[in-house]
Amino acid sequence: DIQMTQSPSSLSASVGDRITITCRASQDIANYLAWFQQEPGKAPKLLIYDASTLQSGVPSRFSGRRSGTDFTLTISSLQPEDVATYYCQNYYSALGFTFGPGTKVDIK
Amino acid sequence: EVQLVESGGGLVQPGGSLRLSCVASGFSFTYWMSWVRQAPGKGLEWVANIKQDESEKYYVDSVAGRFTISRDNAKKSVFLQMNSLRVEDTAVYYCARAGDYGHYFDSWGQGTLVTVSS
Repeated sequence: DIQMTQSPSSLSASVGDRITITCRASQDIANYLAWFQQEPGKAPKLLIYDASTLQSGVPSRFSGRRSGTDFTLTISSLQPEDVATYYCQNYYSALGFTFGPGTKVDIK
Repeated sequence: EVQLVESGGGLVQPGGSLRLSCVASGFSFTYWMSWVRQAPGKGLEWVANIKQDESEKYYVDSVAGRFTISRDNAKKSVFLQMNSLRVEDTAVYYCARAGDYGHYFDSWGQGTLVTVSS
């Protein structure tokens, strides 16, 4: 099974800060990586797929990159509405998918 | 507008059964569909998925042999039959649609809570 790790597990930053979350796959998954945002009490929302493609309607301050088996989600200017937990998901094989453990983001 | 609406959750004793339903609207029901769950205070866990024509179905190891995913394309519905339920199956269960270009989940339902407890 492909394992996904995320770091940090939580972070606190100021409005306007640039923040980066990292997700690492235990093996090569090419670009088959998605990022989700989950606000408390709500369903997850797709932000990015194929490692760097922004889902329609998602603000451009969100971006994704891949370097080998490392993936990053960056918020270029943190906004109050970005307070949420962020998850990565590998979808390399239809036989099974795995999520990272999540990164909780809040405002200082 | 794409909508997924789950139902069927509730309280069940260990060893019991439950059947979850998800009704889709706002799109052609020709996508892979999945169930994803989230235990209280925990992260997301993919549970099962099913191809458009039901020719392929896959499960996470922890539910294989106990859970069965199915669909009724005429009713635009996907189901999860859960048997031999365990305390550790307690979670919010989400129905999710695969994307146009891959198995990421581009639409989610609001979730239905399953509680397994004596």
